[in-house]
Amino acid sequence: RKEVEQDPGPFNVPEGATVAFNCTYSNSASQSFFWYRQDCRKEPKLLMSVYSSGNEDGRFTAQLNRASQYISLLIRDSKLSDSATYLCVVNHNDYKLSFGAGTTVTVRA
Amino acid sequence: GAVVSQHPSWVICKSGTSVKIECRSLDFQATTMFWYRQFPKQSLMLMATSNEGSKATYEQGVEKDKFLINHASLTLSTLTVTSAHPEDSSFYICSARAVITGRPYEQYFGPGTRLTVT
Repeated sequence: RKEVEQDPGPFNVPEGATVAFNCTYSNSASQSFFWYRQDCRKEPKLLMSVYSSGNEDGRFTAQLNRASQYISLLIRDSKLSDSATYLCVVNHNDYKLSFGAGTTVTVRA
Repeated sequence: GAVVSQHPSWVICKSGTSVKIECRSLDFQATTMFWYRQFPKQSLMLMATSNEGSKATYEQGVEKDKFLINHASLTLSTLTVTSAHPEDSSFYICSARAVITGRPYEQYFGPGTRLTVT
């Protein structure tokens, strides 16, 4: 079983729509959680860290459910520029990160 | 802040030659750097963890004699792919851990190096 699993999508949504997707992780000892964004042929960029109580950053909302071992990301009022692959990233008790394969989101005009 | 650069951004080499990739933290000191490899439509796979002044720690299945890592200073780590073969063609990305109070697990990524071995 992969450490981090994501629905690969793609999620095709119109501008202005809300899109949400989850990721599950296998290691219950995981301590830190992140969403990264990766554009085609580019490096990943940190979108947001995910905190236990859930957190919001503008149009982006992340939730963590430790009991069920999943993390979610919700994007409101989608923009064309939100089109990217979103990587779910998990850290255990060292500094190594485990990456999901990514969820592709395409926002159309 | 927390900018990481990589050089070269892309390289084409012939089978059997060696290629060196540099990773630099530009505005912070990085005691730990990481090297990843990403094949098309796959996730980033950690190859090794590089600590300044000590030997790199390689992940299972990664040949340390083929992928030589040197972390000689707090701002520079290098990855040398020795005797490259076409199957080594991939996107190599480094990252650096910036020791920021309260956020010790965040990593900042370089722009990546696309290696093509012919």
